[in-house]
Amino acid sequence: QSALTQPASVSGSPGQSITISCTGTSSDVGAYNYVSWYQQHPGEAPKLMIYDVSNRPSGVSNRFSASKSGNTAALTISGLQPEDEGDYYCISYTTTTSYVFGTGTKVTVL
Amino acid sequence: QVQVVQSGPEVKKPGTSVKVSCEASGFTFSNSAVQWVRQARGQRLEWIGWIVIASGNTNYAENLQGRLTISRDMSTNTAYMELSSLGSEDTAVFYCAAELYSNGCCFFEHWGQGTLVTVSS
Repeated sequence: QSALTQPASVSGSPGQSITISCTGTSSDVGAYNYVSWYQQHPGEAPKLMIYDVSNRPSGVSNRFSASKSGNTAALTISGLQPEDEGDYYCISYTTTTSYVFGTGTKVTVL
Repeated sequence: QVQVVQSGPEVKKPGTSVKVSCEASGFTFSNSAVQWVRQARGQRLEWIGWIVIASGNTNYAENLQGRLTISRDMSTNTAYMELSSLGSEDTAVFYCAAELYSNGCCFFEHWGQGTLVTVSS
């Protein structure tokens, strides 16, 4: 299973909005509404930010939103803040009852 | 309060095996699945397999079929990941993550702290 495609890096100034795309196929992203997003800071375990395409777990800022169209999902961070810096990964459930991660995106706050 | 605690770092010689444990608490272990993910230094996250706790059913990433075994002990709320025939390319941090079926399907909600496995002669 090939990794989902994400941009290697995205940057923005504080207060701006950025969007990270996550492109898969009809066997993963396009097959189910089971795309989730994770934030990872250096040396730490990933943290769940979005599940089931667009749902935020309790405690996650409403500056984080997400959507999906066809085989591409997207995560938007609004009102960018310094603590949003880190790596972001999407992951999708697949038609073979497995999972596939995205290639990861490094977010930099300028 | 949900907690997921993994065993400590391991150093292994090439060709040997490693077994990492993942102990869960604060939720109904039998109503969950445990996912395993690895991350080589500076690299992306890679899903390697999962186990449905109630049934013991497993599914493994294709590239690790034959070398990976995931198991669980419901009496101690612990899941295990064992990787055999280790090579230097297996040096990575291994994470487990609990998926609580009471909260829905198919996302990795509660993560362990990670276990560094180093393969070196």
